[in-house]
Amino acid sequence: EVQLLESGGGLVQPGESLRLSCVVSGFTFGNYAMSWVRQAPGKGLEWVSSISGSGRNTYYAGSVKGRFTVTRDNSKNTLYLQMNSLRVADSAIYYCAQNYPMFDYWGQGTLVTVSS
Amino acid sequence: QSVLTQPPSASGTPGQKVTISCSGSSSNIRDNGVYWYQQVPGTAPTLLIHGTNQRPSGVPDRFSGSKSGTSASLAINGLQSEDEADYYCSAWDASLNGPVFGGGTKLTV
Repeated sequence: EVQLLESGGGLVQPGESLRLSCVVSGFTFGNYAMSWVRQAPGKGLEWVSSISGSGRNTYYAGSVKGRFTVTRDNSKNTLYLQMNSLRVADSAIYYCAQNYPMFDYWGQGTLVTVSS
Repeated sequence: QSVLTQPPSASGTPGQKVTISCSGSSSNIRDNGVYWYQQVPGTAPTLLIHGTNQRPSGVPDRFSGSKSGTSASLAINGLQSEDEADYYCSAWDASLNGPVFGGGTKLTV
């Protein structure tokens, strides 16, 4: 059974940083691209970032490029999202998802709130 | 403002057929496969349709996808109460160089 479990969300002030993690199980992690997709409260879905299976290639939405960094540790079956210079507009549930640009499986999400 | 345009709401009664539309452009839907996701309130999205009209294993054949030009549709036959959810379309956008989503359609049964 494929499982994705996000963690690391919380309440931060504008300009601060946060690192999200996503631990996966149930599939060969290194064989798949992985992605982050977010959903602001009461709003729709927005793709944030993706990374190839090897970690060599990364992709970002324009709204986060230069501020967010996606990485992965295939030895730990873990995906990361380093979020710097956070803005109020970044407040959302952040979902980890398998694959790109199609998202086959999703985690339950971790809530990030950016507020002063 | 979402790149793909969906009606905010749709409704139907059990057993009916409902269709949800998704309008895009030549940089996304016309030249790329379309995905549909179902999100039951309070839970994570799940993949419903990929490659415009392909169902992942486990998805009932009551769900079907299609597209014509720059628009796509999700049809749900034999509507059931458990189909009440938000539905999102998605496609690769060559201009933005990334996947884009519609704003979502809330289906009430």
